[in-house]
Formats: sequence, structure tokens, C-alpha cells
Amino acid sequence: NAGVMQNPRHLVRRRGQEARLRCSPMKGHSHVYWYRQLPEEGLKFMVYLQKENIIDESGMPKERFSAEFPKEGPSILRIQQVVRGDSAAYFCASSLGTENTEAFFGQGTRLTVV
Amino acid sequence: SQKIEQNSEALNIQEGKTATLTCNYTNYSPAYLQWYRQDPGRGPVFLLLIRENEKEKRKERLKVTFDTTLKQSLFHITASQPADSATYLCALGTSGTYKYIFGTGTRLKVLA
Repeated sequence: NAGVMQNPRHLVRRRGQEARLRCSPMKGHSHVYWYRQLPEEGLKFMVYLQKENIIDESGMPKERFSAEFPKEGPSILRIQQVVRGDSAAYFCASSLGTENTEAFFGQGTRLTVV
Repeated sequence: SQKIEQNSEALNIQEGKTATLTCNYTNYSPAYLQWYRQDPGRGPVFLLLIRENEKEKRKERLKVTFDTTLKQSLFHITASQPADSATYLCALGTSGTYKYIFGTGTRLKVLA
């Protein structure tokens, strides 16, 4: 089992460009979560998805950010027109989607906006 | 407002001693609480889960307590080793949703 795979590991974008972050959950997991982490800070919840559905996006900024988890393929976190403040580590996690089970995290994508 | 607070200051302890980390929460009614370890540049790794009806959970040198009256969890590492140095995160899960909300984390450094 390869675990949760995120790519790319590092992404550099100029201000105004789009960033696409990919996450393949663990085999058998149908629940995906995205978190943002700034240096020296904790994980901030962004969005929780199941296949083809957004369950909770209460942590997503209202503009420029979107997420999807299609029937086939990885989950995508998309940031349009990036700004310097979007620079952070973005972590994806997956779980079985039952209570009392842990989340398995990927290694993260480090986004740098220049 | 809802808050999950962990010691913001780094915790330095001597090798062999017991490290105790605190997780306090307000305006949550968690069904369970989890602890994760995060090393620099890596994703968090699950350590332990404790349910609201459990007082204590152990795994090897790790022990977690959960006091829903005090709204607090304590995480203990006994016989600490330099390899235990990392940031430790607590996460709450509420009933009916499978969302995990994380605290800010505490950095632990075990000195040889």
C-alpha cells in the first residue's frame, strides 16, 4: 500500500498564476481532507470530500480556492490567481470515513508564490 | 468560539524523563480525540485515539488521558528518547462528522 500520495512535493508559482495540487488517497479510502499549514503553526482544516461530493468546505477561502474529488482520479485542490499569502504547506489526508478511525497523511505540497 | 489549545512553548526535557503534553479545548463536544506526531517537512503520523467514554489509553511508552469534564487531554511519553523529538498534535473528532480539527501542536525536544 503506497499510502497517501501528493504531488508535486514542491510547487513554485508567480503571483496571478494557478496552482493545482493533487492527492491520491490510500487504497480503499473514500474520504479526503485538505489542510493548510503555515510555518510554526498547526494544521488548518480547509475541506472534506467524498467521491464526487464536497461534505464540508467551511475552512476554504470564499474566493480563488476550489476542491474536487472525481469518481476517477485524484482529489485536486485548485488555487486561482495565487498571491504571496497562499505560500504554505498543503497536506492531504484520507480515511475510511467511519468514526474512531485515524487519518493518514501525505507528505504535503509546499507552495511558494514568488 | 471553538478553540483547541496546546502548549505553544517548546518543551525541553532530559532523556529518560516523562514528557507530558496538554491539549485543552473549548466549545467542542468531541466524540474522540487523537494524537499525531509530525517531523519537520513531513506529514503527521497517527499515534493514539481515545474515545469520550474512555479515561486512559496506552501504547508502549505512550499514554493518553481524556477528561471531558475538564475538557482536556494529556499525552505522556515515558522513558523519553532523543528520537521522540518532534511536534505533537492533538485532533478532535465530533460525532456525526468525520472531520478532524487540529490543535496548534507542541514541539518536544528530548535532550541526550
